[in-house]
Amino acid sequence: KQEVTQIPAALSVPEGENLVLNCSFTDSAIYNLQWFRQDPGKGLTSLLLIQSSQREQTSGRLNASLDKSSGRSTLYIAASQPGDSATYLCAARENTGFQKLVFGTGTRLLVSP
Amino acid sequence: ETGVTQSPTHLIKTRGQQVTLRCSSQSGHNTVSWYQQALGQGPQFIFQYYREEENGRGNFPPRFSGLQFPNYSSELNVNALELDDSALYLCASSASERVYNEQFFGPGTRLTVL
Repeated sequence: KQEVTQIPAALSVPEGENLVLNCSFTDSAIYNLQWFRQDPGKGLTSLLLIQSSQREQTSGRLNASLDKSSGRSTLYIAASQPGDSATYLCAARENTGFQKLVFGTGTRLLVSP
Repeated sequence: ETGVTQSPTHLIKTRGQQVTLRCSSQSGHNTVSWYQQALGQGPQFIFQYYREEENGRGNFPPRFSGLQFPNYSSELNVNALELDDSALYLCASSASERVYNEQFFGPGTRLTVL
């Protein structure tokens, strides 16, 4: 059974700092891994998707890496801004016939001005 | 391109009642998945519909059921509501024929069971 863990559960940083969010998964047989952002009480916004054959993906100030052999993914946020404050969730898609995502519990990020 | 929409936004029900939540998938998407997110937790997979058939289910009892329509919109039905069913219900759509199958989520429906 796939289990996804995110560390830390919460993070508070001053504006401008570079930061790393961690995601680990127990079963390396994943189809892809997706990072999401969730604002309080809202739905999920897809940030980056990494296929199992890829090592990393970049979008603007965000960079996500994937190491299947160690069961880890990291989300790197450069030059953090107060608008980055949100909960960040990673989700591993199981390598089955349907598109089930297994989510971690998220990292709650607060960026102070 | 219209994104994923869900209705209603909020809903309050009492224990034992039945509820129907609705989801319109993003244009061009033929697969819809439903997730339950309890407060402070990550979303949990309920089930998925592809071309009007359920093709995958998570660890949820049969009182959670769904439908997908020819236009790929979907409904989630929950019977005999329990207090623990209080959660944010999220719908996600994707295009199965595309290589990446990236899932796009709607804003969710907040269900409160009293």
